[in-house]
Amino acid sequence: DIVMTQSPDSLAVSLGERATINCKPSQSVLFRSNNKNYLAWYQQKPGQPPKLLIYWASTRESGVPDRFSGSGSGTDFSLTISSLQAEDVAIYYCHQYYSSPSTFGQGTKVEIK
Amino acid sequence: QVQLVQSGAEVKKPGASVKVSCKASGYTFNTYSIAWVRQAPGQGPEGMGWISTYNGNKKYGQKFQGRVTMTTDTSTSTAYMELRRLRTDDTAVYYCARGQSDYDDSFYDYWGQGTLITVSS
Repeated sequence: DIVMTQSPDSLAVSLGERATINCKPSQSVLFRSNNKNYLAWYQQKPGQPPKLLIYWASTRESGVPDRFSGSGSGTDFSLTISSLQAEDVAIYYCHQYYSSPSTFGQGTKVEIK
Repeated sequence: QVQLVQSGAEVKKPGASVKVSCKASGYTFNTYSIAWVRQAPGQGPEGMGWISTYNGNKKYGQKFQGRVTMTTDTSTSTAYMELRRLRTDDTAVYYCARGQSDYDDSFYDYWGQGTLITVSS
């Protein structure tokens, strides 16, 4: 199975400041035949299921605010929240669907400083 | 609107089986796959496998091979996940989620509300 390693485990950011979360799959999730990275990002708040934010590494899901952006390729990815809002306090997970079973990172907890 | 509504919480003894249902509405059921993901307390999500609602293709995680069965009933737009020979470390919230592919795993755009399965003697 592909192991997904996120960093940091937690971070505290002031309101309006940038938050960046990193994700490193143990092997490349870039499918060369279509040049797509099989990586998604989710946000999870307490007592709720994960919510899809980003797929194909950088495509924002409909309705997701544009302060959320994804970047990276191969084995190095990032999720950036450009201007942290109070409602962004949550745990964020990366997810690879390049190989089955799909696997998730351990999560990064984002809090307000 | 798209909804996935799961069955209620259950408490099971070690060695027993559990079957969780996931009823879909708001879209054409057999045009998206259904995946099952579990999340133990305080842990990240863990993919268990997926099933195509169109052609019945399925793939289970190796960790669950031999213990899990995923099925669908297109007449009621419902997916099922049965887990057998339960152990205490199977205690988790089990989610169904809508996938995008009939031939492989994918990202999940809608999720059920989750079903807490507690395994305890």
